[in-house]
Amino acid sequence: AQSVTQLDSQVPVFEEAPVELRCNYSSSVSVYLFWYVQYPNQGLQLLLKYLSGSTLVKGINGFEAEFNKSQTSFHLRKPSVHISDTAEYFCARGYQKVTFGTGTKLQVIP
Amino acid sequence: NAGVMQNPRHLVRRRGQEARLRCSPMKGHSHVYWYRQLPEEGLKFMVYLQKENIIDESGMPKERFSAEFPKEGPSILRIQQVVRGDSAAYFCASSHIPSRTQPVGELFFGEGSRLTVL
Repeated sequence: AQSVTQLDSQVPVFEEAPVELRCNYSSSVSVYLFWYVQYPNQGLQLLLKYLSGSTLVKGINGFEAEFNKSQTSFHLRKPSVHISDTAEYFCARGYQKVTFGTGTKLQVIP
Repeated sequence: NAGVMQNPRHLVRRRGQEARLRCSPMKGHSHVYWYRQLPEEGLKFMVYLQKENIIDESGMPKERFSAEFPKEGPSILRIQQVVRGDSAAYFCASSHIPSRTQPVGELFFGEGSRLTVL
């Protein structure tokens, strides 16, 4: 079955420091990958997506992710985080029936 | 607001009662998905519907749960005879019809319906 794995359940990071949230996916012929963000008591919002083409994908709020086929990874990065980035981040894959990882809670420390 | 609308946002039921959760997709979207989020877990796919048609219900529990998306009106997720284990946040998402220029539909999520079973 197609799956995604987020190994880190929580990531604390100081404000203005860089952050990387890890995501690995099970290998498949074609892969559609996404990162979503969920703020407390809200729904999910799409940060970025990889469908094909350039392996470096830029999203909203200064986030970017790199599709690495050899390592089957799609890690999310931001060079300098802000307090407002505190949220839960979900890696996902699929087409129509989207499969989500278990989420990584990013806690930005002032 | 033309986003995905879910109601109620919060619902409290006693064991054995029925819960009905409603979802109106974004304007122009004809695909609806229901996901369940348990505490400290990710979102689990439940069912994927188009108007008057269930496309994939592989994530739905075999008993007590049903979903519909009628020709007119919102999509409804119905849980009969609720039990404490049904307490969760239920999210609805919608997407456009996949096309040659946009083969993969981005999911747009509602803010969820939080069900608490006493």
